[in-house]
Amino acid sequence: DGGITQSPKYLFRKEGQNVTLSCEQNLNHDAMYWYRQDPGQGLRLIYYSQIVNDFQKGDIAEGYSVSREKKESFPLTVTSAQKNPTAFYLCASSIDPNTEAFFGQGTRLTVV
Amino acid sequence: QQQVKQSPQSLIVQKGGIPIINCAYENTAFDYFPWYQQFPGKGPALLIAIRPDVSEKKEGRFTISFNKSAKQFSLHIMDSQPGDSATYFCAASYYGGKLIFGQGTELSVKP
Repeated sequence: DGGITQSPKYLFRKEGQNVTLSCEQNLNHDAMYWYRQDPGQGLRLIYYSQIVNDFQKGDIAEGYSVSREKKESFPLTVTSAQKNPTAFYLCASSIDPNTEAFFGQGTRLTVV
Repeated sequence: QQQVKQSPQSLIVQKGGIPIINCAYENTAFDYFPWYQQFPGKGPALLIAIRPDVSEKKEGRFTISFNKSAKQFSLHIMDSQPGDSATYFCAASYYGGKLIFGQGTELSVKP
């Protein structure tokens, strides 16, 4: 099946710990994105990448880091510097930003 | 200038009604305007999209109206059904840029 896969679906993290969210796509898309979703705030862009080995900060990049070593993979690390990491995280990919973006099913991160 | 402003935040209609969701943008470089539908606990999925060379696009019961001079676009859902109850997001992008989303509208269609 072609698509975009996020794992895990639920993730619990202790305060002060880094945690990495996985995002894999087999759609051969060049562009990949990470969004954070909080109630009433829509989807806010964390990082995006238009090509392998290149990525740009979005609107709320502080406390997050990414890598794009392979076309298929765009992992997101939530570091201990992120003050309020509890949220629903969505990964997406597209051929380019001007075409349909396909979303994964999301990872719900909770800090305990 | 990169923002996309969406209204209303929530909307309740009766079955068969026509909910309308509006979005406005500032960046005239935007040239792709999609609408996404999201059900609870799921990722958003593309519903319909428009480019600025047309003023209206219909796909089934969903219609986008686009006003380039006003920098506004809207989603109309004809003959709305309870199964349409979801959160709807407008978005905008341009080639080589990034996909920017509105704040979302939570739609509830009552039986």
